[in-house]
Amino acid sequence: DAGITQSPRYKITETGRQVTLMCHQTWSHSYMFWYRQDLGHGLRLIYYSAAADITDKGEVPDGYVVSRSKTENFPLTLESATRSQTSVYFCASLGGAGQPQHFGDGTRLSIL
Amino acid sequence: GNSVTQMEGPVTLSEEAFLTINCTYTATGYPSLFWYVQYPGEGLQLLLKATKADDKGSNKGFEATYRKETTSFHLEKGSVQVSDSAVYFCALSVTGTASKLTFGTGTRLQVTL
Repeated sequence: DAGITQSPRYKITETGRQVTLMCHQTWSHSYMFWYRQDLGHGLRLIYYSAAADITDKGEVPDGYVVSRSKTENFPLTLESATRSQTSVYFCASLGGAGQPQHFGDGTRLSIL
Repeated sequence: GNSVTQMEGPVTLSEEAFLTINCTYTATGYPSLFWYVQYPGEGLQLLLKATKADDKGSNKGFEATYRKETTSFHLEKGSVQVSDSAVYFCALSVTGTASKLTFGTGTRLQVTL
């Protein structure tokens, strides 16, 4: 089915470890986004991408790395996880200006 | 910069009650305004949107009017149902910013029988 999928849905890891969250969309949307959701903050933009090989920082990029070698995939990597990165992470995609963003179901990440 | 302010939750209502969730914004440029809804364990879904002043977005009985003079986009529904229980997010995007969304903190709605 067409859509946007995130994996894993749940992840527990330890501080200092590297972890990668995956995001895949089947619409060939140009834009993709990573957000984190924390109580009292709503959703905050981490990184976004306007096309393959084009990425840019959002509001809270520190500690995260992204890549986009293919249009359909936009992985988010925490190179050395910290407890403050415990959160729910959402990926979204967008077909073009004026269109709504479509969100995945999220990845709940706990860092012990 | 851009920001969105929503009323604090949770909001608890009885079924068939009238709902208002307040949302105000500040933006550089001319924003489009959105309401997203998040049901438990799910991602966000677009509920409605408005792209210019005085536009009214509507969907599933929910409405919101883009008020430029008061920089507001309040969400209303005349008669809520238990199935409307969710978290509601007001958001904006400004033309020329790669359609990046700026979200409010969200308002949890709990509807009881």
